[in-house]
Amino acid sequence: DGGITQSPKYLFRKEGQNVTLSCEQNLNHDAMYWYRQDPGQGLRLIYYSQIVNDFQKGDIAEGYSVSREKKESFPLTVTSAQKNPTAFYLCASSIGQGSEQYFGPGTRLTVT
Amino acid sequence: GQSLEQPSEVTAVEGAIVQINCTYQTSGFYGLSWYQQHDGGAPTFLSYNGLDGLEETGRFSSFLSRSDSYGYLLLQELQMKDSASYFCALFRGAGSYQLTFGKGTKLSVIP
Repeated sequence: DGGITQSPKYLFRKEGQNVTLSCEQNLNHDAMYWYRQDPGQGLRLIYYSQIVNDFQKGDIAEGYSVSREKKESFPLTVTSAQKNPTAFYLCASSIGQGSEQYFGPGTRLTVT
Repeated sequence: GQSLEQPSEVTAVEGAIVQINCTYQTSGFYGLSWYQQHDGGAPTFLSYNGLDGLEETGRFSSFLSRSDSYGYLLLQELQMKDSASYFCALFRGAGSYQLTFGKGTKLSVIP
């Protein structure tokens, strides 16, 4: 079955540590995205990538970094510079330009 | 910038029809998408309006009026499993690949 996988489902880290969230897709989609969701809020775009070896900042990129070395993979690193990293992180992909996006199950990150 | 407004909560009875409104402010966009998200789950795509008018997909329909900066999602024959949050999202298009999401409407379906 095709889809998007994110691991782990729950992640706990100490303040000051960098942490990398995994996102893999086997849908053969060119575009991939990372969103952050806080309780009772909508999704906010962190980074997106249209093709391999290229990515663009979204609305809230500060304190985050990404890479796109393979079409299937788009890992997100939450750095110690991110002031409020505790959130639900969602990865998505799309065939075309993004009006219809497919989401992974998410990673819930807690930093204490 | 862009902003979207949705009601925060809506309650409706099983078997009834409910409309979730979305008003927006933007300098330009290509269309309006709708997503459903159950508690703790991943958002799933419901519909996209690239043109003004009504799009129908089974029990769900979505409407867009660019002149009124307004859209809505219509859910018919409500089922308990429709209890979820519903998000409208502006698709910026023109190679931007970006969606701007509203804060979501939590729909509770009661017996």
